[in-house]
Amino acid sequence: NAGVTQTPKFQVLKTGQSMTLQCAQDMNHEYMSWYRQDPGMGLRLIHYSVGAGITDQGEVPNGYNVSRSTTEDFPLRLLSAAPSQTSVYFCASSYSRGPQPSSGNTIYFGEGSWLTVV
Amino acid sequence: GIQVEQSPPDLILQEGANSTLRCNFSDSVNNLQWFHQNPWGQLINLFYIPSGTKQNGRLSATTVATERYSLLYISSSQTTDSGVYFCAVTTSGGSYIPTFGRGTSLIVHP
Repeated sequence: NAGVTQTPKFQVLKTGQSMTLQCAQDMNHEYMSWYRQDPGMGLRLIHYSVGAGITDQGEVPNGYNVSRSTTEDFPLRLLSAAPSQTSVYFCASSYSRGPQPSSGNTIYFGEGSWLTVV
Repeated sequence: GIQVEQSPPDLILQEGANSTLRCNFSDSVNNLQWFHQNPWGQLINLFYIPSGTKQNGRLSATTVATERYSLLYISSSQTTDSGVYFCAVTTSGGSYIPTFGRGTSLIVHP
């Protein structure tokens, strides 16, 4: 069971370039989300999805785009990278329909993607 | 949306000391989890605890949902406990997208 897989782990971009952070989960989770982590700010929600074909904005959505064409995948696109987007990005998934185990709607995280924009 | 506050923001301990971390939240929750972010940045799930008390080795957690707080206890701390501890909640309004506190940064000295 791979859980949540994020790629790439490290990336350096030049200002204005675009790129996609990939996130995939194999737990048949309905809910997936992207966070960015900056020093002293905790994890802030960028975008989220409550199912295939459904996405919505979080707390800090500007400069990012998402889509959810399948249950498994939730890519995050940086449209035109800016130095302010230098951060660590985490993808998370949770919630499966049907009978819940004792761990309920446990949140699972990917290992993070370190992005530097120069 | 729901507000999540963690305290203290920073904590420095000597190895062997005990500590209590607190998470307050502003609304009813249907999920509460404690995570440990290790020095390599990995977020490790410690407890799924929307209510009640759980223990795992030197760590235990208690959530009093009616009073909207959760506590994480670390006993006999070790240097490997260093890192940032996050509390994350989802609300009873039906959304399972978690909201995080800003974390407690713990440093354990040998």
